[in-house]
Order: sequence, then C-alpha cells, then structure tokens
Amino acid sequence: EAGVAQSPRYKIIEKRQSVAFWCNPISGHATLYWYQQILGQGPKLLIQFQNNGVVDDSQLPKDRFSAERLKGVDSTLKIQPAKLEDSAVYLCASSTLAGATRAQYFGPGTRLLVL
Amino acid sequence: AQSVTQLGSHVSVSEGALVLLRCNYSSSVPPYLFWYVQYPNQGLQLLLKYTSAATLVKGINGFEAEFKKSETSFHLTKPSAHMSDAAEYFCAVSRKTSYDKVIFGPGTSLSVIP
Repeated sequence: EAGVAQSPRYKIIEKRQSVAFWCNPISGHATLYWYQQILGQGPKLLIQFQNNGVVDDSQLPKDRFSAERLKGVDSTLKIQPAKLEDSAVYLCASSTLAGATRAQYFGPGTRLLVL
Repeated sequence: AQSVTQLGSHVSVSEGALVLLRCNYSSSVPPYLFWYVQYPNQGLQLLLKYTSAATLVKGINGFEAEFKKSETSFHLTKPSAHMSDAAEYFCAVSRKTSYDKVIFGPGTSLSVIP
C-alpha cells in the first residue's frame, strides 16, 4: 500500500512570495489533514477535510493560507504572501474515517524556509 | 480546552536501559491518548493509542503506555532501548467525539548512547 505522498520536499522562498504544497493521501482515505510543525514544537492542525468538505479550519490563518481538496482526493495548501514565521514543516496526513480513534498516516512533509 | 505536557524536551538513555518518556494531559472529559514517533526527515508514525479499553496499551517496536486517570498521565516505556529508537516522540490527546482534532505535545527527543 502506497503511503501519503507530498511534494515538494523542500522549498526556499523570500517573504511576500507565494508557495503551494501538494498532498496525495492513501487511496480510499476520506479524511485529510494539514499540519504545521515549527521547529521544536509538535504539529498544529491547520485544516481537516472530510472528502472534499472542510471539517475544521479554526487554526488556519485565512488571510494568507488557503487549502482545497479536489474531488475528495488530492489536496493543495497555499500560502500567499509568505511571512518569516511561516518557516516550518508542513505535514499532510490521512485516515480512513473521521474521529480520533482512527490512526492518522503522515507523509514525509514539506520543509519551508522563508527568507 | 485540552492540552498535553511532556516533561523533558530531551532524554538520553544507554542502549539496553529502560526508556521512560513522560506525558501528562489536561482534559475536561476522558480523552483518547496517543504516542507518535518521528524519525529524522520523516512524518509521524503511530506507536500506540488508548481508547478507553485496557489501561495498559501495547504498541509497535516493544513500546507500551499506561493510562492513569488519577495522575492524568500516559507515560511511554520500553524495557530495553535500542539504537534505532533514537527519534522524536510526541504525546497527543483528543476528545471522544467524531471529527475532533488531535492536540500534540511539544515532543521529547530520545537519544540512545551505545
């Protein structure tokens, strides 16, 4: 079974530029999550999708971050414009059903550096 | 609001020694609890989870954790550390409701000394 795929693995941009990250979840997984992991901290949920609908985006900075999940499969997370404090690892995860009892499977992450 | 604290941002043990990583949670209702491991440049992997069945939970790679309600703790242990256990470990908590998000602790970095 293929795991969660993410690209790119690394990205360096200057502040005020835009950037996009892509995630392909495990086949058949209805729930998809985007997390932000700042160095030295645990992951923080940015947005959770159930199929192609948003379940929770309460911690997504909506003035600069946006996310979509096309046809309930792949997802894209965008930052525009980027700030220095956006430097972090962006993790995508998926699970079979919503609810915390279902294990979340994580991708390798995209490491973003904003200069 | 739920939260997780992990005592010790960095723990070092000798190969073959007991591993003990501490986790305390705060939750207004009985929660679900998790331990995840993150190897360098990789995503997180679920080690084990507590979902209100047995209080002693066994996970992968020889790890186990015990849920103690009176102490609001969910410490992770392994009887004998292996070099391959060196990684970042995250404790996490969630309420028992559908769609509820998982709150992660700050993590503990485990080093294993040969």
